[in-house]
Amino acid sequence: ETGVTQTPRHLVMGMTNKKSLKCEQHLGHNAMYWYKQSAKKPLELMFVYNFKEQTENNSVPSRFSPECPNSSHLFLHLHTLQPEDSALYLCASSQDETGVSPEQYFGPGTRLTVT
Amino acid sequence: ELKVEQNPLFLSMQEGKNYTIYCNYSTTSDRLYWYRQDPGKSLESLFVLLSNGAVKQEGRLMASLDTKARLSTLHITAAVHDLSATYFCAVDPNRDDKIIFGKGTRLHILP
Repeated sequence: ETGVTQTPRHLVMGMTNKKSLKCEQHLGHNAMYWYKQSAKKPLELMFVYNFKEQTENNSVPSRFSPECPNSSHLFLHLHTLQPEDSALYLCASSQDETGVSPEQYFGPGTRLTVT
Repeated sequence: ELKVEQNPLFLSMQEGKNYTIYCNYSTTSDRLYWYRQDPGKSLESLFVLLSNGAVKQEGRLMASLDTKARLSTLHITAAVHDLSATYFCAVDPNRDDKIIFGKGTRLHILP
């Protein structure tokens, strides 16, 4: 399989549940990202992992916890979410090298609904 | 706070017509991206513009960047229905891969 894959594609969870989103990139990139896409709002960058080191966006609530065990895999662990967290969660990857434009390649997304 | 504003946010146009989508941003950036998103699908990279005066073309789409004016344009020539999608511009002002997206322009091309 090529490109950036995400599982599951759809997820419905209650506010007390714990779940995880998974992203895998097959492009040999060294940077990975989590984005949130809500209706009528711009795409929001949540987390960046570069060479497996996390750059965290301080505005992301602690109920979202990222994990990057290696350069090909990225997880987003979810717990005690709120209904307003319902959104499309997109994963992306890029190759970050000096002098090279870090064009980001996006996965298909996970449509999350919190009930 | 960095703002990326797209204009218009919604555009309905006839096939065969030309139109331009504008992307203004509020701080210096020499990295600008255009993405396309089809309904229910992910984002597809269209153009990467890395310098003032950069112009790139792919089929009926042409993108340009004016870093002094903090403006990028996406020009559509002789639109066809297949170009119906939402188009996003995004900037990376600090060159740290923390890309800031605009709200997107939803383009609907009528046959």
